[in-house]
Amino acid sequence: NAGVTQTPKFRVLKTGQSMTLLCAQDMNHEYMYWYRQDPGMGLRLIHYSVGEGTTAKGEVPDGYNVSRLKKQNFLLGLESAAPSQTSVYFCASTLRRDLPEQYFGPGTRLTVT
Amino acid sequence: RKEVEQDPGPFNVPEGATVAFNCTYSNSASQSFFWYRQDCRKEPKLLMSVYSSGNEDGRFTAQLNRASQYISLLIRDSKLSDSATYLCVVNGIDSNYQLIWGAGTKLIIKP
Repeated sequence: NAGVTQTPKFRVLKTGQSMTLLCAQDMNHEYMYWYRQDPGMGLRLIHYSVGEGTTAKGEVPDGYNVSRLKKQNFLLGLESAAPSQTSVYFCASTLRRDLPEQYFGPGTRLTVT
Repeated sequence: RKEVEQDPGPFNVPEGATVAFNCTYSNSASQSFFWYRQDCRKEPKLLMSVYSSGNEDGRFTAQLNRASQYISLLIRDSKLSDSATYLCVVNGIDSNYQLIWGAGTKLIIKP
């Protein structure tokens, strides 16, 4: 089992460019999450999904879109990148919402210049 | 006030020592509490859940104080490999059990 994988691992974008981050999990988990982590701050939830075909906004959704067309994949899109979106992005998944353990991917380090 | 607050550290501790740090949370309705560990430039991983009665896992002990709204993590006989950032996590009270994350406490174990 690969667990949770994320691509790409690193990316540098220019302001205004767009990109898609891919998260894939092979654990048949229902719940998937996208977080961003910035220095001095806790992980902040961007969007999440409670099952295939569903998405919902988290704490900081502006400037991002998501899709969950297949159960195992959760895509995060940046429509028009801004320097404020420079961050480390983590994807996570869990089988049930009441389980404490979220399994994380290795992260994507994104720099927007 | 942040929902989950932690001392960012770093805590510099000699190998073999005991170290403890706390985390305070603002929402008295929070029901579930966890400690995650995050190594440098890596993803967070669950270290342990925190139960009302307190719980222990080897050298690690977690406790919950609901009256004062804090949780604690105690590490005994610290190892070099314990060097990491420890994230305090509290479940949100909404129906989707969203987790609220502290910014972390950095621990450095010195030989």
